[in-house]
Amino acid sequence: DIQMTQSPSSLSASVGDRVTITCRASQGIANYVAWYQQKPGKAPKLLIYGASALQSGVPSRFSGNRYGTEFTLTISSLQPEDVAIYYCQKYNSAPQTFGQGTKVEI
Amino acid sequence: EVQLVQSGAELKKSGESLKISCQGSGYSFDTYWIGWVRQEPGKGLEWMGIIYPGDSDTKYSPSFEGQVTISVDKSIDTAYLQWSGLKASDTAIYYCARHLREFNYGAAFDIWGQGTQVTVSS
Repeated sequence: DIQMTQSPSSLSASVGDRVTITCRASQGIANYVAWYQQKPGKAPKLLIYGASALQSGVPSRFSGNRYGTEFTLTISSLQPEDVAIYYCQKYNSAPQTFGQGTKVEI
Repeated sequence: EVQLVQSGAELKKSGESLKISCQGSGYSFDTYWIGWVRQEPGKGLEWMGIIYPGDSDTKYSPSFEGQVTISVDKSIDTAYLQWSGLKASDTAIYYCARHLREFNYGAAFDIWGQGTQVTVSS
């Protein structure tokens, strides 16, 4: 099975900082990567699909990119409401594995 | 409004069976894959498997195959996740979620249920 290695596991940044989270796939998966945000006690929320397409209603400070088998989620200017855990997911084939998660704090 | 509504919290004993549900509304239930995701206390998201309501085609994660059964009753727009013999290690929140694209197996989850807490005591 293809593994998704997400880093870092946690980070602390200041309001207004640029934050980048990375997922590396163990094999090629084209653009079949999504990013989710999960706040405490809530279901995950889709932010990015197709590696870089912004889901409707998601603020434009969130962006995704692909560099071969490395995928990034960037928050261009961190806001207090962005405190959450972020997960990548690969969905080209089963199992549609999630990364281990990145806890973002301020 | 497109939504998935899950059944309520469950408190069970080891060895008991359980079936939890996820009812879709506001969209064509038959034509979107629905998946199940486990989240153990304080842990990350684990993809368990998905089902296509139109023909009940089902795909499982190797980690969960044989441990759970995913099924659907398209006459009432409802997907199910069931266990025949619960273990304490099954204690978790279980989410159902719908794929973003109609018909499309390779898609992200855009609509999520509210989650069902399953607690299994030994």
